[in-house]
Amino acid sequence: GQQVMQIPQYQHVQEGEDFTTYCNSSTTLSNIQWYKQRPGGHPVFLIQLVKSGEVKKQKRLTFQFGEAKKNSSLHITATQTTDVGTYFCAVPNTGFQKLVFGTGTRLLVSP
Amino acid sequence: NAGVTQTPKFQVLKTGQSMTLQCAQDMNHEYMSWYRQDPGMGLRLIHYSVGAGITDQGEVPNGYNVSRSTTEDFPLRLLSAAPSQTSVYFCASSYSNRASRETQYFGPGTRLLVL
Repeated sequence: GQQVMQIPQYQHVQEGEDFTTYCNSSTTLSNIQWYKQRPGGHPVFLIQLVKSGEVKKQKRLTFQFGEAKKNSSLHITATQTTDVGTYFCAVPNTGFQKLVFGTGTRLLVSP
Repeated sequence: NAGVTQTPKFQVLKTGQSMTLQCAQDMNHEYMSWYRQDPGMGLRLIHYSVGAGITDQGEVPNGYNVSRSTTEDFPLRLLSAAPSQTSVYFCASSYSNRASRETQYFGPGTRLLVL
């Protein structure tokens, strides 16, 4: 079945530092989604990428889809304490009826 | 709209007991699913439904049953609880049955402890 690896598993940064998480697939993807889960909360949709090489920005968050559509990254510029949480990528399985989630990257930001 | 609601928020069970986790959505979404979340394991799909009367298995279906008699409700049944089912359970829904292309809306979760 579809496998997706997400690295790192955990990162602790000082407020103001940048942060990047990577999502890697063993197969070419049609699309990829990113979700954020605050501590004690539920996953919340952030964005979907569809095109090869696509780059989308949401304020300090930059999302990129690889040229070969096998990997993606989420970069946060100048982290804030409000960025704390776990970031998940999610990719379709064959048949597109299931969404397979990565294991997530837990981000901790110290003031 | 209330979105996706789940009950109960927290439950303690003894091994062997059965229970039903409730999930409802008021957005007229076709697709509904159940995930479990364990430390270091991410979100794993248990069962999903592409519409009323249609369900299918996800990655980790053993020990769980589902049914979808209405568009709004998608309960998850634990037949005989085991300690390995201690987890946080999330219900999610999306507008169409091409779930992988749609935004998934998650409920607040049910924390289950099996002793």
